[in-house]
Amino acid sequence: DGGITQSPKYLFRKEGQNVTLSCEQNLNHDAMYWYRQDPGQGLRLIYYSQIVNDFQKGDIAEGYSVSREKKESFPLTVTSAQKNPTAFYLCASTPRWRMNTEAFFGQGTRLTVV
Amino acid sequence: GDSVTQMEGPVTLSEEAFLTINCTYTATGYPSLFWYVQYPGEGLQLLLKATKADDKGSNKGFEATYRKETTSFHLEKGSVQVSDSAVYFCALSDHDSGNTPLVFGKGTRLSVIA
Repeated sequence: DGGITQSPKYLFRKEGQNVTLSCEQNLNHDAMYWYRQDPGQGLRLIYYSQIVNDFQKGDIAEGYSVSREKKESFPLTVTSAQKNPTAFYLCASTPRWRMNTEAFFGQGTRLTVV
Repeated sequence: GDSVTQMEGPVTLSEEAFLTINCTYTATGYPSLFWYVQYPGEGLQLLLKATKADDKGSNKGFEATYRKETTSFHLEKGSVQVSDSAVYFCALSDHDSGNTPLVFGKGTRLSVIA
């Protein structure tokens, strides 16, 4: 079955450490997105990618970085510059960039700073 | 830019009660509209969608009608169950606007008690 897989489900980060969250899709979708979810804040867009080898900053990109070297993969790195990284992170994809279509989501990664 | 406003929760209902969650939007283009549901600890799942004015999306007893004249997409269900307890997100997809195409409301938490 096609879908989006995020790993790990739970991740713990020490102060000053970089961590990478994995997002893989086998839906053959062009566009991929990373969102951060905090209680009562809804979803906030971190980065998005329209196509392979291209990505743009979203509303809260500071302290994060991404790459899109393969169509099916869009990893998110939370760097030490992100001062408050504890949150639930969601990866999503859509078939094409210029289509008003629904997004498909992974199951999320919960990141906690220890 | 585009935006989605939905009623704040939490909403607590007794089983078999009628549910309405209000959602209004602003968009510069002609968006598609969606309701997503998020169960605890999981990603978002598409609940229903509508792509043009006066379309009614429906799924699992939930309904919402795309009202262009009032820029609304309210979610309704005639008789809620305990299993409907979740967070509900209203969203729009608007590539025509040139803004970020996926925009979400802040979510409304629904608790249904037996």
